[in-house]
Amino acid sequence: DAKTTQPPSMDCAEGRAANLPCNHSTISGNEYVYWYRQIHSQGPQYIIHGLKNNETNEMASLIITEDRKSSTLILPHATLRDTAVYYCIVSAEDAGNMLTFGGGTRLMVKP
Amino acid sequence: DAGVIQSPRHEVTEMGQEVTLRCKPISGHDYLFWYRQTMMRGLELLIYFNNNVPIDDSGMPEDRFSAKMPNASFSTLKIQPSEPRDSAVYFCASSPYTGLSEKLFFGSGTQLSVL
Repeated sequence: DAKTTQPPSMDCAEGRAANLPCNHSTISGNEYVYWYRQIHSQGPQYIIHGLKNNETNEMASLIITEDRKSSTLILPHATLRDTAVYYCIVSAEDAGNMLTFGGGTRLMVKP
Repeated sequence: DAGVIQSPRHEVTEMGQEVTLRCKPISGHDYLFWYRQTMMRGLELLIYFNNNVPIDDSGMPEDRFSAKMPNASFSTLKIQPSEPRDSAVYFCASSPYTGLSEKLFFGSGTQLSVL
């Protein structure tokens, strides 16, 4: 069973904010939302994670709705190097670090 | 830190041959994971270790696959005998956390082609 739903692809203009949505309507109270990305020919890279509060780091911001059924990853000023597949994952803290990757969203940043 | 180091970067072999993939995790990380990525199935977790002990190998596809972690700085994933359907990119990842915050650090992967 897929725990998250993401659009298969999105485009974004260089310099603009990229807003990547994720639906996780069956999320449990102890499950965190994680975002990873995978640039072509590289291993996945951790971006950010959160439980219920919005989070921000040097790479991105994570906005989680109050009911926690969906979230949005925001890349504030997308660059060509942000072109990648972005994975939204939900995982419980007692899941033994087992992350299950879905299909992700292929983000294409265009000049 | 050099990050998670995998070798070889590319491996081409013939069906029936033994293949060994290697991984050096980041020093001090307690967890080590092996993932496989194909176009059809995406990223799949094969097995993971905690403090060198295999915890969950339910993702290992068949008995032809085996993984070991003889010490905290080295792990191998072996396929014997290899088959064309094993062709994929194999990633190793490590994590410093023990449950909370699944922040995994991935290696660059090994591209395996079985002819």
